[in-house]
Formats: sequence, C-alpha cells, structure tokens
Amino acid sequence: GAGVSQSPRYKVAKRGQDVALRCDPISGHVSLFWYQQALGQGPEFLTYFQNEAQLDKSGLPSDRFFAERPEGSVSTLKIQRTQQEDSAVYLCASSLIRPTNLITYEQYFGPGTRLTVT
Amino acid sequence: DAKTTQPPSMDCAEGRAANLPCNHSTISGNEYVYWYRQIHSQGPQYIIHGLKNNETNEMASLIITEDRKSSTLILPHATLRDTAVYYCIVRLTNNAGNMLTFGGGTRLMVKP
Repeated sequence: GAGVSQSPRYKVAKRGQDVALRCDPISGHVSLFWYQQALGQGPEFLTYFQNEAQLDKSGLPSDRFFAERPEGSVSTLKIQRTQQEDSAVYLCASSLIRPTNLITYEQYFGPGTRLTVT
Repeated sequence: DAKTTQPPSMDCAEGRAANLPCNHSTISGNEYVYWYRQIHSQGPQYIIHGLKNNETNEMASLIITEDRKSSTLILPHATLRDTAVYYCIVRLTNNAGNMLTFGGGTRLMVKP
C-alpha cells in the first residue's frame, strides 16, 4: 500500500520567506509526528498529533514554526520568516493508535522535505 | 527516555555478519530497545525492537544483555543495500504519542 508521502521533496527559500511543507500519512494512521534532521545529525522531534489534536509541540524551536492537521489526516508544517538555521530535512511519520500484534507503535516515515534557506 | 551510545561508524564486508553495538546503561524497566536505519535520502525505517528477550525477524536479530544495559543488532549476511545509518533508541511504548529520540547512530558501510 501507499506509504507516507511528503511534498515538496526539495524547497529553496530566501531568508525571510514563509514556507509550507505537506505530509500525507498512511490512511487510517491516527498519530502523526514531525521531526527535523540537520545535516549529519539524527532526527529531532518537533510535534505530535493525534487525529486533529496537537498533543505535544514541545520540540518546535520557535514561534515561527506552526503545524496543523485540521481534518485529522493531511498535516502542514509552516515556517514563517525562514532563517538559515532552519535549513534541514523535515520528516513526517505516522503510526497506528493501537499496537499491532507484532509491533508496538511502529512509526512509518516519509522521505522528507529538504529545506535550504539562502 | 534513556540515552544511547553507539560507535559513529563501522565497516563490514559484503556477505559477512554485521554486529552493531549499543550501550544504554540508564535504561529503565519499562523501556524497549528499538533499532531503525536510514538509507541515504530516505526516511528512517523500523528494523526490530525488544524488551529483554532476544528477537529475530526477517531483517535482523537483536541480542539484549541480561542486565539490559547494552544490545547488539546483527545483520547476518550484510549486502551493499544495508549501507545506512543505524539508530539504537530506547523508548517507552505505553502510549502512541511517544516520540523517537534519535542519537547520532552508527554509519555502517558494507564493502564489496
């Protein structure tokens, strides 16, 4: 079946521009996560949704970062007034609300959006 | 979640077993050990997880020491496609909202 998809795959923005990154989770997956991955580093948690409710946004680095999931499926991560330090790969992951028989809350990741701020 | 320590890089010959170590000395009793890998330009991919018993699936085996302070991921017959960054993560799994806390991982290079 279809996995997690993200668009665009690559985005170049000039410093100060606003950007919007889209995530389409696996159909039926209630949980959705956003992660930020700087070059050469492991992914770092940004925020978590259960359906349309944003239950954890403790990882968002500043108030320029905003995420939404208004209908409990597609999610958008918006970054306002982009800065060079925002350059990173932004990963989206989704998971079931209840564990399967074999795997406990496995997260399925999309390919990421590489954001470059110039 | 407990922190993990992994070697930054390892090499392995194609066809040989790759043994990737991970230390997690501060793991608590209800935390699982998870392994994910990330192939270049892709998102992380789940490999295997365990609590205290050794586990095996079609991708790999996971050996956890009796005191649970360390573990080893074993790829029994490494191929060139196994070249990736491997992340060892300890994580509570009592809630669907538990995020993954990645460290630096081990960059495994499988060589012909």
